[in-house]
Amino acid sequence: DAKTTQPPSMDCAEGRAANLPCNHSTISGNEYVYWYRQIHSQGPQYIIHGLKNNETNEMASLIITEDRKSSTLILPHATLRDTAVYYCIVRARGGTSYGKLTFGQGTILTVHP
Amino acid sequence: EPEVTQTPSHQVTQMGQEVILRCVPISNHLYFYWYRQILGQKVEFLVSFYNNEISEKSEIFDDQFSVERPDGSNFTLKIRSTKLEDSAMYFCASTPRGSNTEAFFGQGTRLTVV
Repeated sequence: DAKTTQPPSMDCAEGRAANLPCNHSTISGNEYVYWYRQIHSQGPQYIIHGLKNNETNEMASLIITEDRKSSTLILPHATLRDTAVYYCIVRARGGTSYGKLTFGQGTILTVHP
Repeated sequence: EPEVTQTPSHQVTQMGQEVILRCVPISNHLYFYWYRQILGQKVEFLVSFYNNEISEKSEIFDDQFSVERPDGSNFTLKIRSTKLEDSAMYFCASTPRGSNTEAFFGQGTRLTVV
């Protein structure tokens, strides 16, 4: 799976949009970009994923650049409960690595009142 | 909303003892995983399991680890002879059939080896 690079930490004011960047310059054509988050020591929680098109769900939006070498997770109106570690993961499709997630250090997002 | 359930939430064991961590994946999911997270470190993949056999394992998953799906609903991780360095959070996850799907994680079992 391709390696990802994320800033170690970010701050955001409550109610504002949080934009979390991720670099995945070695991504290959059959790899998806997934975002998960982990609040305290709870189990990781799925947020969103995409292949090449921008995606939106009830939690967030995912913007993937045209060359697919980077992406941005957008939390449109951050709340205190969004304080967590956010992981950007590139995941292979199929093969013996089916479903396996390789976590990095992620970005610690702190939402301030 | 369906969820992955793990028991116990916290397990304390003496070094050298065997422990079994239990997971009930989401009922229609076919792929199952164990991950661990040592305190302050990143989440690490241990093993994936499909069709009643291991499909992939990491170098962490040595001979003292084993997994089993004994009854079609539970998915267990056994550590035969625990070591102090096995102390960690252990997360179970499952995914349904299909490549464009997300993994659902349980809330974890905190294993403390003393």
